[in-house]
Amino acid sequence: GQQLNQSPQSMFIQEGEDVSMNCTSSSIFNTWLWYKQEPGEGPVLLIALYKAGELTSNGRLTAQFGITRKDSFLNISASIPSDVGIYFCAGLITGGGNKLTFGTGTQLKVEL
Amino acid sequence: DAGITQSPRHKVTETGTPVTLRCHQTENHRYMYWYRQDPGHGLRLIHYSYGVKDTDKGEVSDGYSVSRSKTEDFLLTLESATSSQTSVYFCAISDTSGRDNEQFFGPGTRLTVL
Repeated sequence: GQQLNQSPQSMFIQEGEDVSMNCTSSSIFNTWLWYKQEPGEGPVLLIALYKAGELTSNGRLTAQFGITRKDSFLNISASIPSDVGIYFCAGLITGGGNKLTFGTGTQLKVEL
Repeated sequence: DAGITQSPRHKVTETGTPVTLRCHQTENHRYMYWYRQDPGHGLRLIHYSYGVKDTDKGEVSDGYSVSRSKTEDFLLTLESATSSQTSVYFCAISDTSGRDNEQFFGPGTRLTVL
């Protein structure tokens, strides 16, 4: 099955730094979702994007729906220790029914 | 947080035994999904339901069956568990189809098949 290419696979950054990660696909998506997952828990929805070019913020998180509809970006500003976790992108393909395709995740570790 | 519970949260079983995982929601959402999560593969859809008694296959449905007799419950059954089905299983729900498909996840069930 199709998967989204998510990069980087992992990041180890200092507290206070900004973080950027992205998701790319060979297919066009109508919806992009970004989730965060902490150990032993289910993914939690952070941001939803519905329109090409759309830029949406949720606190220190900002996500963008790429113009080509084949990519999306997530930025975290001024990282803090509780940002630690795995971040997943997910895309919805037109005509694919209700099925989301997920990226393989970016693991974020924050050093104090 | 969306009202989604999964049971059991952890299970160890032996190859060849049947296993049923339960997902229960209190949100009255129409759509329910079962995913498995494995290292290097992310989340992969097993089966989903778009209403009571209405289900369809996902990407990795072989060896799994589902049932939905009530809006609030979605059951995933492994008829004869195999070691390759050792995984973490997540249930998700959503209230709409198509474009606004925001899915909310349960806490997961860790299944080990020996």
